[in-house]
Amino acid sequence: QSALTQPRSVSGSPGQSVTISCTGSSSDVGAYTYVSWYQQHPHKAPNLVIFDVTERPSGVPDRFSGSKSGNTAFLTISGLQADDEADYHCSSYGGSNNPVVLGGGTRLTVL
Amino acid sequence: EVQLVESGGDLVQPGGSLRLSCAASGFSFDLYEMNWVRQAPGKGLEWLSHIEASGAASYYAGHVRGRFTVSRDNAKNSLYLQMGGLRAEDTAVYYCARGNVIAARPFDSWGQGTLVTVSS
Repeated sequence: QSALTQPRSVSGSPGQSVTISCTGSSSDVGAYTYVSWYQQHPHKAPNLVIFDVTERPSGVPDRFSGSKSGNTAFLTISGLQADDEADYHCSSYGGSNNPVVLGGGTRLTVL
Repeated sequence: EVQLVESGGDLVQPGGSLRLSCAASGFSFDLYEMNWVRQAPGKGLEWLSHIEASGAASYYAGHVRGRFTVSRDNAKNSLYLQMGGLRAEDTAVYYCARGNVIAARPFDSWGQGTLVTVSS
């Protein structure tokens, strides 16, 4: 059982927006501004798309955005494209004794 | 271009041992902290271990501490994971990933992974 809770699946049509939630606790997501999101296409390695809650690495389109409210972080993908279909994993810093707290992943289907 | 290439995955019997390697290129390996992360079939990601750039200190997730050992050879631009007492639940794709997670930094580069299967 993962420490961060994500929905198993979400879906949306091309051009629409979808939001994926990631719920932790006051010891991880709620305590720090260090939430990351990783995109993983089938049989591929994960790829960082959001870090520090809202920051995008260079090369990641601005259709990807992150936010946080209390113990829950969110990844929003706007203007959905077929290539966005993938698994998305959230991660949070959980302190020096638990530096990496991960979610179970969310499968995004583009209808 | 940053490249991380894992190797060493194999079919191993329960109780057995295995050593994974990760060859790094395209960046100054000796300046970066490194990690091992795994993914069981159909499951989420699971962080296993972290090692400082110098190799002086390492950190482990509780459930692998004592069974797994991370090390590195900066002269060979290589990261290693020695695994012992393997169990069926250790079956997974093992990734090396760059990032100073102890300082709350993300994993900014990943290898393609190597498959470890623990079965009799």
